[in-house]
Amino acid sequence: AQTVTQSQPEMSVQEAETVTLSCTYDTSESNYYLFWYKQPPSRQMILVIRQEAYKQQNATENRFSVNFQKAAKSFSLKISDSQLGDTAMYFCAFLRNRDDKIIFGKGTRLHILP
Amino acid sequence: NAGVTQTPKFRILKIGQSMTLQCTQDMNHNYMYWYRQDPGMGLKLIYYSVGAGITDKGEVPNGYNVSRSTTEDFPLRLELAAPSQTSVYFCASSYAGQGGSETQYFGPGTRLLVL
Repeated sequence: AQTVTQSQPEMSVQEAETVTLSCTYDTSESNYYLFWYKQPPSRQMILVIRQEAYKQQNATENRFSVNFQKAAKSFSLKISDSQLGDTAMYFCAFLRNRDDKIIFGKGTRLHILP
Repeated sequence: NAGVTQTPKFRILKIGQSMTLQCTQDMNHNYMYWYRQDPGMGLKLIYYSVGAGITDKGEVPNGYNVSRSTTEDFPLRLELAAPSQTSVYFCASSYAGQGGSETQYFGPGTRLLVL
């Protein structure tokens, strides 16, 4: 069975700094999808970034980028020039295929300090 | 597009009461999901649907029922509320098919308190 592990329950960084959130997963599949979702205090779940395993190029979305290491089964999220609005819970998620269920990690609570 | 909408936003139930959590999406997504999120935890899948008339159990289906009579709506029914069902409930949808992105889009959540 697939599992997703986020080893950092909580992190704090100063505004404008760069922060990296870790995520590892376990699967025997060769093709799959990985996601980072953000959950601010409002509790809305917001997609931050997605990566398809067959693509070697790391996904980027403005200040957000991933370091996808397929062999190591690692999918870390880097937030550059962090902003106060980045304060949220961040969930890493794995999806094997379209007909399967997405699996979420337990989350990392990120605090951006002024 | 409104995306995924959920009602109510917050509800207090007494033990043994019943209620239906509503979920509607206007993106013509074929897949819809219900999750619960307990305090400090990740999301757990309750039920999901791959299209109108088709539903299936997720990880934690006990105490819940669903139906999917239309593409847009996916209500979640609690028949006999228990304190263990105190949680935040999220509905999500995605399009799985040609041109689909597999990305799940979430509603704003319903906070349920059972006393």
